[in-house]
Amino acid sequence: SQTIHQWPATLVQPVGSPLSLECTVEGTSNPNLYWYRQAAGRGLQLLFYSVGIGQISSEVPQNLSASRPQDRQFILSSKKLLLSDSGFYLCAWSARGQLHQPQHFGDGTRLSIL
Amino acid sequence: AQKITQTQPGMFVQEKEAVTLDCTYDTSDPSYGLFWYKQPSSGEMIFLIYQGSYDQQNATEGRYSLNFQKARKSANLVISASQLGDSAMYFCAMRDAGSARQLTFGSGTQLTVLP
Repeated sequence: SQTIHQWPATLVQPVGSPLSLECTVEGTSNPNLYWYRQAAGRGLQLLFYSVGIGQISSEVPQNLSASRPQDRQFILSSKKLLLSDSGFYLCAWSARGQLHQPQHFGDGTRLSIL
Repeated sequence: AQKITQTQPGMFVQEKEAVTLDCTYDTSDPSYGLFWYKQPSSGEMIFLIYQGSYDQQNATEGRYSLNFQKARKSANLVISASQLGDSAMYFCAMRDAGSARQLTFGSGTQLTVLP
């Protein structure tokens, strides 16, 4: 069966520090991969998605970036965090090309910026 | 452009009773899919149920069913026999063929089940 791992679960970082969140998927090949951010009490905002190695689409201009160095690995990064980057970050995967395929989410990372 | 609207920020239901969570959507694409997710306080997003635009029957998964009214563009989630563990945030989401890689989420409904 397919599983998705996301870490760390919680992170406290000072303003201006770098960020690296990692997500890996097991049990499937060529997945679509996604990074979402969720502010407290709000819905999900799509940040990035990827349909293949090295292929990244950005949905929201910001100081975050994403990379996909391997088929089942998706990384969210920042060189300098802002206070507004605080939130709950979720990674997700879905099978390609099928309208009915749901996205499956990791357990999320709670990021607090001090 | 896709749009998902959930007009109930919060709902309360008595344990063992049924509850309906509302969702309306807007798309010009005739081919689309509708999804419901549950997010407990721990944060993970749990996929509950799917309805395709061409499906003839309403989707059901255990205690979850989807009241799909295509002409009204609504896809309400019905939870029967509510349990305390059903207390969570519930999100409606949509994907259409024009943007098949992405899900658009509503703002969510916080459901509280009362003992």
